[in-house]
Amino acid sequence: SQQGEEDPQALSIQEGENATMNCSYKTSINNLQWYRQNSGRGLVHLILIRSNEREKHSGRLRVTLDTSKKSSSLLITASRAADTASYFCATGLAGGTSYGKLTFGQGTILTVHP
Amino acid sequence: GAGVSQSPSNKVTEKGKDVELRCDPISGHTALYWYRQSLGQGLEFLIYFQGNSAPDKSGLPSDRFSAERTGGSVSTLTIQRTQQEDSAVYLCASRRGGSDVYEQYFGPGTRLTVT
Repeated sequence: SQQGEEDPQALSIQEGENATMNCSYKTSINNLQWYRQNSGRGLVHLILIRSNEREKHSGRLRVTLDTSKKSSSLLITASRAADTASYFCATGLAGGTSYGKLTFGQGTILTVHP
Repeated sequence: GAGVSQSPSNKVTEKGKDVELRCDPISGHTALYWYRQSLGQGLEFLIYFQGNSAPDKSGLPSDRFSAERTGGSVSTLTIQRTQQEDSAVYLCASRRGGSDVYEQYFGPGTRLTVT
């Protein structure tokens, strides 16, 4: 079964608004990553947050991580039509044969209307 | 520089035929992953190669699926006796490796349709 569960499954907003997507996971992790996917093809890495970090910023992206609740959120500020895509969280484990392997959630489909 | 490339970009095959999907990782990346994504779904891990270590095959759905990585670079995913449920986008990703590097770089995928 998938480790990460994104919420909501779909999000529709107007350009300029903020978009918040949430991710919950089940087991202990080493890091959590967010990826973007356009048109059902290749994924692009957005941001990584380690298990000992609580918040991280990259441009218009802000990621938080609460390991006690096993949850993370991705905030996109001042959204643009070009942000329309599917967003996936992925959890990473470290050590042994699982090293570097990511487990992806089902994704949130974000639509930003111009 | 060049990213991860995959070929073919699209493959239509008849049920029961064998297919081979190719992945060229970023040069110097020691880790390589194969994932499968069905329509509207998340990514399903299939197999993971790291350097010269034995691959992690724990995600392969059946013995019809196999993969190899030659010379620590190019990888081929083979699906024998394809079934309609094998229809999906197959994504390859590579990672630079090392003890503290986690970002994966994805290829554009191969869309497999089994008729």
